Amino acid sequence: GAVVSQHPSRVICKSGTSVKIECRSLDFQATTMFWYRQFPKQSLMLMATSNEGSKATYEQGVEKDKFLINHASLTLSTLTVTSAHPEDSSFYICSARDQEGDGGYTFGSGTRLTVV
Amino acid sequence: GESVGLHLPTLSVQEGDNSIINCAYSNSASDYFIWYKQESGKGPQFIIDIRSNMDKRQGQRVTVLLNKTVKHLSLQIAATQPGDSAVYFCAEGYNFNKFYFGSGTKLNVKP
Repeated sequence: GAVVSQHPSRVICKSGTSVKIECRSLDFQATTMFWYRQFPKQSLMLMATSNEGSKATYEQGVEKDKFLINHASLTLSTLTVTSAHPEDSSFYICSARDQEGDGGYTFGSGTRLTVV
Repeated sequence: GESVGLHLPTLSVQEGDNSIINCAYSNSASDYFIWYKQESGKGPQFIIDIRSNMDKRQGQRVTVLLNKTVKHLSLQIAATQPGDSAVYFCAEGYNFNKFYFGSGTKLNVKP
């Protein structure tokens, strides 16, 4: 089945630095990928829709300049958390849909970001 | 975004029993629904999906029921096993576009 690889799985960074998270569709092409954020014991919150070759679409309340999304190819989307602060510490998850396969959405394994 | 909520935050069942997890959604235009399972520290794992032109779909040991009249979704797990212990989320979407998750139900399976 479709596989989405997310890297890194865990990252610790200092306040004020930026962190890049990668989301790759390994065996299919994804024109659209989605980025979610999840706080402990809470549900996934959609942050933005990543569109290959165009600007990402952000959900209301999500800062575009804070969470930079780049979808430069049909298999890779990146999320960069800029000038990270402790409140940005969270579990970030991406997903993509294999339109040619069974059509289901596949999720990456997530990235645990800790800002110290 | 749409409001998707779950009735029960925690469900405890005995191994071998059937489990039913419920979910209410608010957007009557939603046409695609998915159930996910999430184990601690991991990303969501697809369980089963259903489109709005159906009211029931079965998978291996799982059945999803959709009642569009009352905007209700349920996941039934037959012969629940310890490995089924996880948090279960429903999600709704429209036209295979972005979709939104409910708050989750934790399923505890007692041996």
